[in-house]
Amino acid sequence: AQSVTQLGSHVSVSEGALVLLRCNYSSSVPPYLFWYVQYPNQGLQLLLKYTSAATLVKGINGFEAEFKKSETSFHLTKPSAHMSDAAEYFCAVSGGGGNKLTFGTGTQLKVEL
Amino acid sequence: DTEVTQTPKHLVMGMTNKKSLKCEQHMGHRAMYWYKQKAKKPPELMFVYSYEKLSINESVPSRFSPECPNSSLLNLHLHALQPEDSALYLCASSQEVTRDGRNTIYFGEGSWLTVV
Repeated sequence: AQSVTQLGSHVSVSEGALVLLRCNYSSSVPPYLFWYVQYPNQGLQLLLKYTSAATLVKGINGFEAEFKKSETSFHLTKPSAHMSDAAEYFCAVSGGGGNKLTFGTGTQLKVEL
Repeated sequence: DTEVTQTPKHLVMGMTNKKSLKCEQHMGHRAMYWYKQKAKKPPELMFVYSYEKLSINESVPSRFSPECPNSSLLNLHLHALQPEDSALYLCASSQEVTRDGRNTIYFGEGSWLTVV
């Protein structure tokens, strides 16, 4: 069985500050890990994906995530937050049959002036 | 812009109505999915089609009936729904279904369904 845990259902940062959204995973097989973003009243957009080719994954909009097997983590970061980053962020793990994505509970990011 | 398009964007239906949600992808993908998302919750998988055949049904009530007319199209037929079925319904696609889950799943913008 696979699962992901997102620590912090709400994160608030100032514009220009570092964004850190936490995700820990559990998987019995080598995982494929994803971060998706959902802007208000929209669908899910892929930010980035870990495939084991590199532990540091760069995504769209300046986001990146680092895979740490020893910590079973895949935290999402962005050096400088922008107002347009305000959204819901979902970490997800795939594998074990059927392309079934298992999502975390999500983190709502708020960016303040 | 997403390459998975869903129509309609908003749908209001009564509990005795029959309606359908439609989804189309132009990426040449052979796997398509329906997810349901309630407010403030992550998406939940409903159905998976692989090469136009239903491969996963996550114990979804029969009032939801999926259909995959061809590799680019996916429909969700709705009949006798309940108010608790009100949610965002997301269509998605991936290159194909693999055992190790390597393929990225791409989502559409969703259809907002309200059952009155």
